[in-house]
Amino acid sequence: KAGVTQTPRYLIKTRGQQVTLSCSPISGHRSVSWYQQTPGQGLQFLFEYFSETQRNKGNFPGRFSGRQFSNSRSEMNVSTLELGDSALYLCASSFSGQGADTQYFGPGTRLTVL
Amino acid sequence: AQTVTQSQPEMSVQEAETVTLSCTYDTSESNYYLFWYKQPPSRQMILVIRQEAYKQQNATENRFSVNFQKAAKSFSLKISDSQLGDTAMYFCAFMKPRRGRDDKIIFGKGTRLHILP
Repeated sequence: KAGVTQTPRYLIKTRGQQVTLSCSPISGHRSVSWYQQTPGQGLQFLFEYFSETQRNKGNFPGRFSGRQFSNSRSEMNVSTLELGDSALYLCASSFSGQGADTQYFGPGTRLTVL
Repeated sequence: AQTVTQSQPEMSVQEAETVTLSCTYDTSESNYYLFWYKQPPSRQMILVIRQEAYKQQNATENRFSVNFQKAAKSFSLKISDSQLGDTAMYFCAFMKPRRGRDDKIIFGKGTRLHILP
């Protein structure tokens, strides 16, 4: 079974631009969660989607948004990029996102904002 | 609100030694899940071990075991016979069994573990 894939793997943008990251979950998984990983703040939860609906949201500004499609693929969008948005963005998929469901992580997208 | 604290930012041990990574958490919940995830350098994060709070028995997975002390809210990870491939960042995480809209998985800031040859 193919693992979680994320595209692109690396991205360089400038301040003020917007960016869209993509995540394809493991086949059959309906929950996709997004995380921002930085050396200073560690791993911070952005949001979770299940069956095309945002189920949970972390404490990030409205510039961060996402969506999920009927095939469970998810996209994350960051508008008006700031230098502090430079980070590794991870997505994780699981069957239901509840209980003891194991989350399977993708390799991440490394975003650099100049 | 739940919090997860990993007090050791970085550790180094010799190959074949045993190492213990600390994790404490704070919650008012009685039932929850605790996880240890491993993130090797430039590689994907993977689940190492999982513990359900209502289970008294400590979880084990081959060379990896936990010491779960519910009353003390402590969840340490022991790696026996450490190998070079264990070099990674290790994250402790907390999750409620059924999450409402404002619930999320809480991760600690991680412990960077170096296994030295």
